[in-house]
Amino acid sequence: KQEVTQIPAALSVPEGENLVLNCSFTDSAIYNLQWFRQDPGKGLTSLLLIQSSQREQTSGRLNASLDKSSGRSTLYIAASQPGDSATYLCAARSGSARQLTFGSGTQLTVLP
Amino acid sequence: DADVTQTPRNRITKTGKRIMLECSQTKGHDRMYWYRQDPGLGLRLIYYSFDVKDINKGEISDGYSVSRQAQAKFSLSLESAIPNQTALYFCATSDLQVYTQYFGPGTRLTVL
Repeated sequence: KQEVTQIPAALSVPEGENLVLNCSFTDSAIYNLQWFRQDPGKGLTSLLLIQSSQREQTSGRLNASLDKSSGRSTLYIAASQPGDSATYLCAARSGSARQLTFGSGTQLTVLP
Repeated sequence: DADVTQTPRNRITKTGKRIMLECSQTKGHDRMYWYRQDPGLGLRLIYYSFDVKDINKGEISDGYSVSRQAQAKFSLSLESAIPNQTALYFCATSDLQVYTQYFGPGTRLTVL
């Protein structure tokens, strides 16, 4: 059974800092890995999706990497802004039914 | 207009009541999902449907049932609500090629 872990559970940084969020998964036989952002009381917004054959994906100030062999993915946020404050979740797609297994998220606070 | 909508957005009910949560999508996706989110536990899959005639149990289906009325509509029912079903419920859709998931805004359900 796939298990996804995100550490730390919460992170607070000053504005302008570069930061890395971590995601680990137990079953390396994944189809893809997706990073989401969740604002309080809101649904999830997809940020980046990395296919199993890819090593990284970039969108603006965000860069996600994938290392299947070690069961790890990272989300790099450059020059953080207060508007980046949210909970970030990663989810691995695996199994015969190709279902998503979510981590419990990292709550990020960027201080002005 | 939102691509994935959920009704109601908030609901308070009593133990033993039957509750239906509804989800509609305009993305034209065949695949639809119901998740619940509890604090500190991430999202867990309740049921999923790959097309109108296909319904599958997820990780935590006990106490829930679903109905796929049309390609665009997927409902979740709690036949006899209990307090530990208090949670945030999300509907999601995905396409067949890339498997990116798109989420609705969520329904906050409180069972007293």
